[in-house]
Amino acid sequence: GQSLEQPSEVTAVEGAIVQINCTYQTSGFYGLSWYQQHDGGAPTFLSYNALDGLEETGRFSSFLSRSDSYGYLLLQELQMKDSASYFCALTGGGNKLTFGTGTQLKVEL
Amino acid sequence: NAGVTQTPKFQVLKTGQSMTLQCAQDMNHEYMSWYRQDPGMGLRLIHYSVGAGITDQGEVPNGYNVSRSTTEDFPLRLLSAAPSQTSVYFCASSYGGQTVGGYTFGSGTRLTVV
Repeated sequence: GQSLEQPSEVTAVEGAIVQINCTYQTSGFYGLSWYQQHDGGAPTFLSYNALDGLEETGRFSSFLSRSDSYGYLLLQELQMKDSASYFCALTGGGNKLTFGTGTQLKVEL
Repeated sequence: NAGVTQTPKFQVLKTGQSMTLQCAQDMNHEYMSWYRQDPGMGLRLIHYSVGAGITDQGEVPNGYNVSRSTTEDFPLRLLSAAPSQTSVYFCASSYGGQTVGGYTFGSGTRLTVV
């Protein structure tokens, strides 16, 4: 099976940079994704790493290291609207997603 | 473009009742999935489909059935509702292919079984 671990909660101040880590155990996968979910809302896709290295999408960047079974999501210039839950997910056969338990990000003034 | 449409948004069932959660997408996506989300447990895969006529089980399939007769529709059937099925259910779709990782999610169905 697959399992992913994330910190349950992270707090940061507006304008700062925050990193949300994801470690995983799997026998094989195609890539690592990140999703954002506001309270009461649906998950929305942020980023996908098929290969090792950094992917940048605006204020968000995501990193993958297959040799370390590790990835992270980096959020820059934090805004209050970034307060949400963030999930990492492994893509397996059949394009199935296995999600981590999520990290609740709180952005403070 | 409506994206992924789920109905109903809210539902209360009595134990033992059956119902179908509807999911439709208008993006011509091949891959569709159903997830349930419980507090503190993230999203867990119930069933998924890689194309019309092809479905398979995910992590927590017991008590649920699916079918995929068209590319657009992927209904989830609860056969005999139980309180343990109280959850938020999300349908999602994607183009698939490992270079395109993003799923589009519906707004969810909040189900309570009493």
